[in-house]
Amino acid sequence: GNSVTQMEGPVTLSEEAFLTINCTYTATGYPSLFWYVQYPGEGLQLLLKATKADDKGSNKGFEATYRKETTSFHLEKGSVQVSDSAVYFCALRGMDSNYQLIWGAGTKLIIKP
Amino acid sequence: EAGVAQSPRYKIIEKRQSVAFWCNPISGHATLYWYQQILGQGPKLLIQFQNNGVVDDSQLPKDRFSAERLKGVDSTLKIQPAKLEDSAVYLCASSLSTETETQYFGPGTRLLVL
Repeated sequence: GNSVTQMEGPVTLSEEAFLTINCTYTATGYPSLFWYVQYPGEGLQLLLKATKADDKGSNKGFEATYRKETTSFHLEKGSVQVSDSAVYFCALRGMDSNYQLIWGAGTKLIIKP
Repeated sequence: EAGVAQSPRYKIIEKRQSVAFWCNPISGHATLYWYQQILGQGPKLLIQFQNNGVVDDSQLPKDRFSAERLKGVDSTLKIQPAKLEDSAVYLCASSLSTETETQYFGPGTRLLVL
């Protein structure tokens, strides 16, 4: 079945550091891929998405490229800020199972000033 | 545009008690989801509604959990009786339709069962 694996946290970085959070997936066909973010005390928010191979999703300085050959959708940001501290979830939406989202376990990101 | 509303935000109960959560989706959204998020894990879908009909409740523990969306708008999720392992955040989300990719989430209800 479909599944998502993302790197364990917490990930702790200094402000202005480069960020990578790894995400790989297993799915049949061509799923859509998502990154959601959960700030402390808030609900999940869609950060970015990509719907086909080689698409790049981007938002708020974050980017992720849909790599079919490596079944990956790694999240990157060139220079993180303290306000980026949150939990980041990778998810996929398959072509079956009522288009439901399959979620990774989440990666907690801590940015120190 | 108002977001997804949930109440209460926090609830503490003892095991074997009952509890209910309420969700009001974004206006016009036909699809409503209830998720359970245990600390350190991703959300787990409990039930999905399309208008007032159930699309999928395969992961809902039906011996103790129930949910309804009688008028196809707001929804309630009930647990009776609660167990210690039900301690989690219960998230409600909505989308325009089942086929629509973007789900919008409420702030969640944090449940602690003692």
